[in-house]
Amino acid sequence: DGGITQSPKYLFRKEGQNVTLSCEQNLNHDAMYWYRQDPGQGLRLIYYSQIVNDFQKGDIAEGYSVSREKKESFPLTVTSAQKNPTAFYLCASSPIGGGDEQYFGPGTRLTVT
Amino acid sequence: QKEVEQDPGPLSVPEGAIVSLNCTYSNSAFQYFMWYRQYSRKGPELLMYTYSSGNKEDGRFTAQVDKSSKYISLFIRDSQPSDSATYLCAMSGTSYGKLTFGQGTILTVHP
Repeated sequence: DGGITQSPKYLFRKEGQNVTLSCEQNLNHDAMYWYRQDPGQGLRLIYYSQIVNDFQKGDIAEGYSVSREKKESFPLTVTSAQKNPTAFYLCASSPIGGGDEQYFGPGTRLTVT
Repeated sequence: QKEVEQDPGPLSVPEGAIVSLNCTYSNSAFQYFMWYRQYSRKGPELLMYTYSSGNKEDGRFTAQVDKSSKYISLFIRDSQPSDSATYLCAMSGTSYGKLTFGQGTILTVHP
């Protein structure tokens, strides 16, 4: 089955702790993305990567970090510097040069208390 | 003013109705347009993808793009309860990189 997997589905952390969200794709897509979704809002771009070992900040990168060591993996770390980390996090991927359609994973719901 | 405006609804229709969902945008550079469907607590699913102006039909779904008016629409014919979801429009000006999303319209189709 080709697709994007995110784990875990639900994640709970205490304030002040860093947490890493996993995203893996086997679609052979070059580009990968991380979005944040809050209730009643659309998706906001955190980071994106178009090629291994390279990534760019999105609109709300503060308090987050990423790495892209392998084509199929794009983990997101939510650091203690992120002021309001509780949200639904979505990972997506797309083929370069094939238009902009992006395909999403099932999401991770992060709750920080 | 947001780059992409989408009426959040909620929209409630009876089964079998024709549904019209709309987005307006301000950036004339946008040329790739998408509609996503998102069920509660799930990731968005790509429904329709169009490039530039025109219509595209796929089963009960029709996407329309009017670049002169900076307006896109998604029509759902013969709506079903299983169509109940949040519908997100998204658009981009390049063939790679960033999508700009509307805030989503919550649709409920009741039997």
